[in-house]
Amino acid sequence: DQQVKQNSPSLSVQEGRISILNCDYTNSMFDYFLWYKKYPAEGPTFLISISSIKDKNEDGRFTVFLNKSAKHLSLHIVPSQPGDSAVYFCAASDTGNQFYFGTGTSLTVIP
Amino acid sequence: DGGITQSPKYLFRKEGQNVTLSCEQNLNHDAMYWYRQDPGQGLRLIYYSQIVNDFQKGDIAEGYSVSREKKESFPLTVTSAQKNPTAFYLCASRWDPGRAEAFFGQGTRLTVV
Repeated sequence: DQQVKQNSPSLSVQEGRISILNCDYTNSMFDYFLWYKKYPAEGPTFLISISSIKDKNEDGRFTVFLNKSAKHLSLHIVPSQPGDSAVYFCAASDTGNQFYFGTGTSLTVIP
Repeated sequence: DGGITQSPKYLFRKEGQNVTLSCEQNLNHDAMYWYRQDPGQGLRLIYYSQIVNDFQKGDIAEGYSVSREKKESFPLTVTSAQKNPTAFYLCASRWDPGRAEAFFGQGTRLTVV
């Protein structure tokens, strides 16, 4: 049973506009959330994380929002650039040692 | 340069043969992980290890085996019992198991013919 879900397999955005990637989770014990970026045939690269004690974390063009009551998090990329085109995975962790990954959203930024 | 290294990048094996994928890290991380990626299925956990000489099964451990004899190394063996071994395999490590990001290697693409 998928505990972390990314319901949009793909997203296309014009360069300069905002990209919003969404992620839902089912386990209320998750307290640490991460976003990774991945290119084909490469390992994922860490982008940004957020702890459950926060509802927002910002790093440059990337902002992650967490809505614990809705069990939902989102990644905002502003402004979007062609180099942002990749697959984005959200992941969640509880107080144990496992990460649970979503199925990914393929972002295409159109120049 | 600190990092996590997987080798080889591409691997071909005949059906019925065991194969071992290498994963080495010099980040002094305690926890190490093996994931498998298939199209449309995200990353699924095979095995993980928190300390030397100890490891735990993930969601899809059947047909795989691991060892953790050294902190730096966490090799994965894909055995002939694994029904669909062709996949992209990713190794990761993490310093603080509770609150830190995992760093990933570049992956190994295994093709079984």
